[in-house]
Amino acid sequence: NAGVMQNPRHLVRRRGQEARLRCSPMKGHSHVYWYRQLPEEGLKFMVYLQKENIIDESGMPKERFSAEFPKEGPSILRIQQVVRGDSAAYFCASSPMGANTIYFGEGSWLTVV
Amino acid sequence: AQSVTQLDSHVSVSEGTPVLLRCNYSSSYSPSLFWYVQHPNKGLQLLLKYTSAATLVKGINGFEAEFKKSETSFHLTKPSAHMSDAAEYFCVVSFKISSGSARQLTFGSGTQLTVLP
Repeated sequence: NAGVMQNPRHLVRRRGQEARLRCSPMKGHSHVYWYRQLPEEGLKFMVYLQKENIIDESGMPKERFSAEFPKEGPSILRIQQVVRGDSAAYFCASSPMGANTIYFGEGSWLTVV
Repeated sequence: AQSVTQLDSHVSVSEGTPVLLRCNYSSSYSPSLFWYVQHPNKGLQLLLKYTSAATLVKGINGFEAEFKKSETSFHLTKPSAHMSDAAEYFCVVSFKISSGSARQLTFGSGTQLTVLP
C-alpha cells in the first residue's frame, strides 16, 4: 500500500509564475490536508478537504492560493503569481473518514527565484 | 481551543545518553496526541500516538511517551540516543472540527535534536 504521494518533490518558479503541487492520498483515504513549513518554522495548517469539498480553509492566504480535491485524481494546491515569500515546503497528509491518525507525504519544496 | 507547546526549541545529547523532549498541550476535549519526526528534507514520520488507551505509549525506534492528564504533558523519551535520531520532532494534538467527523491537527513549533558523538 503506497503512502501519500506528492509531486513534484522540488519545484523552482520565477516570481509571477504559477505553482501546482499534487497530492495523491493513501488508498482508501477520503480526507486530505495541506500544511506549509516555512524555513526555520513549524508546520502551519492551510486547508482540509474531502472529495469535492473544502471543509476548512482557515489557514489559506486569502489571495493567490487555492486547493481542490476532485472526485477523480489527486488533490491540487495551486499558487498563482508566486512571490519569494511562498518559498517553503508544502506537506500533504491524508486520513480515512473518522480516523484520528494522519499520514504525511514526503513534501514538495517550492523555491521562488 | 487547542494548543501545543514544545518547551525546548533545541536539545543536544551525547550518543548513548537518554533523550527527553518536552510537550505540553491544551485541549477542550480529550485529545489524541502524536509525535512526528522529520529528518532533513524529508517528510514527516509518525513515531507514536496516544488515543485514550494506555497512557504509556511505545513507538518506533525505541521512543516512548507518557500521557499525563494532570500535568497536560506528553513528553517523548528514549533511553539511549543514537546518531540517527538527530532530527526535528513535532508534538501534535488532534481534535475534531465542528463539521462531521473530520479531525484537525495543531503542531508544536518543533524541537531540533542534536546527537553528539
